[in-house]
Amino acid sequence: SYVLTQPPSVSVAPGKTARITCGGNNIGSKSVHWYQQKPGQAPVLVIYYDSDRPSGIPERFSGSNSGNTATLTISRVEAGDEADYYCQVWDSSSHHRVFGTGTKVTVL
Amino acid sequence: EVQLVESGGGLVQPGGSLRLSCAASGFTFSSYWMSWVRQAPGKGLEWVANIKQDGSEKYYVDSVKGRFTISRDNAKNSLYLQMNSLRAEDTAVYYCARDARYSSGGTHYWGQGTLVTVSS
Repeated sequence: SYVLTQPPSVSVAPGKTARITCGGNNIGSKSVHWYQQKPGQAPVLVIYYDSDRPSGIPERFSGSNSGNTATLTISRVEAGDEADYYCQVWDSSSHHRVFGTGTKVTVL
Repeated sequence: EVQLVESGGGLVQPGGSLRLSCAASGFTFSSYWMSWVRQAPGKGLEWVANIKQDGSEKYYVDSVKGRFTISRDNAKNSLYLQMNSLRAEDTAVYYCARDARYSSGGTHYWGQGTLVTVSS
């Protein structure tokens, strides 16, 4: 089955840039979606189809995808961005949706 | 406003069964793939199953195949998950999720989740 690997944690100071990676075999050939989840809440889609933002998501959130790594970038990080972040793809060979292992973002 | 409201969670003994329901509103239910996603306590998200708009295609994560059945009733705007032969490792919050019109799309809407606890 297809595996997506994320770093367990990322720490960033307010106002700086956080980059969260999602590694997978030839992930650049797939569409990657990113979710933010705060404690006790349902996930929220922040990036879809690699780099599109749903309405209501700040422009500070951006995404890219190439080769074996997709990246979620959060610019000018705010305290409210502290959350768990998950990448997700659809694996065409199994028709399964796969989530990454998740990354906890801590704002220092 | 899109709303997804899960129900049916609770405490069940190992080997038991439970049926989760999800009432959808605020969008054309029959136009979207739908999924169940779960999250064990303190763990990450795990996709469980999804179903095509007309119910003609259903897919399951390997760990629940043969035990869980996803279904939908477009006339009632409802999604279901029948869970049989439950195990302790099935303990999780189960989310109903509205996927895209295409199976490769992102999940734009989520319910608040219903807790399933499998324990004796």
